[in-house]
Amino acid sequence: GDSVTQMEGPVTLSEEAFLTINCTYTATGYPSLFWYVQYPGEGLQLLLKATKADDKGSNKGFEATYRKETTSFHLEKGSVQVSDSAVYFCALGGSNYKLTFGKGTLLTVNP
Amino acid sequence: GAVVSQHPSWVICKSGTSVKIECRSLDFQATTMFWYRQFPKQSLMLMATSNEGSKATYEQGVEKDKFLINHASLTLSTLTVTSAHPEDSSFYICSAPPGSTKNIQYFGAGTRLSVL
Repeated sequence: GDSVTQMEGPVTLSEEAFLTINCTYTATGYPSLFWYVQYPGEGLQLLLKATKADDKGSNKGFEATYRKETTSFHLEKGSVQVSDSAVYFCALGGSNYKLTFGKGTLLTVNP
Repeated sequence: GAVVSQHPSWVICKSGTSVKIECRSLDFQATTMFWYRQFPKQSLMLMATSNEGSKATYEQGVEKDKFLINHASLTLSTLTVTSAHPEDSSFYICSAPPGSTKNIQYFGAGTRLSVL
């Protein structure tokens, strides 16, 4: 079945550091790929998405490229801010809107 | 943006009692909603798909008599944990896709259930 493996945290960075959170997936067919973010005390919010190979999703300075050859969708940001501190989930979208999530990565950015 | 409201955010109950969790789409209609369960430091696991006007579809290994789902209207789905036991303690999250946009889901803030 479908599965998502993402880098386990926690990840602690200083402000303005470069961020990478790795995500790889296993799926049949051609899934859509997502990154969701969960800020403390809030629900999950869609951060970015990509629906086909080589698509690049981007939002709020974050980027991720759908790499079919490596079955990856790594999240990157060139310069993180304290306000980026949150839990990040990589997810795979299959049929009928169903989502398969990775375990989540806690990011803490220190000033 | 679209909002999904989940209530309550935290509930503590005694073993053997039943607990109802509500999930509402506030500014859009949702014929389908999803219920997830999240254990500490674990990913969200899909429990069931709630379908307005018909029976819910449960994932393998999820007891449908234990976790009753009712999708009473286009904006409300409820999850009832019946005869709750300490092992049911977890974080329950609902989500709903607005019908016009595929592969986008809006999530509630979650409900933390603690069974004593």
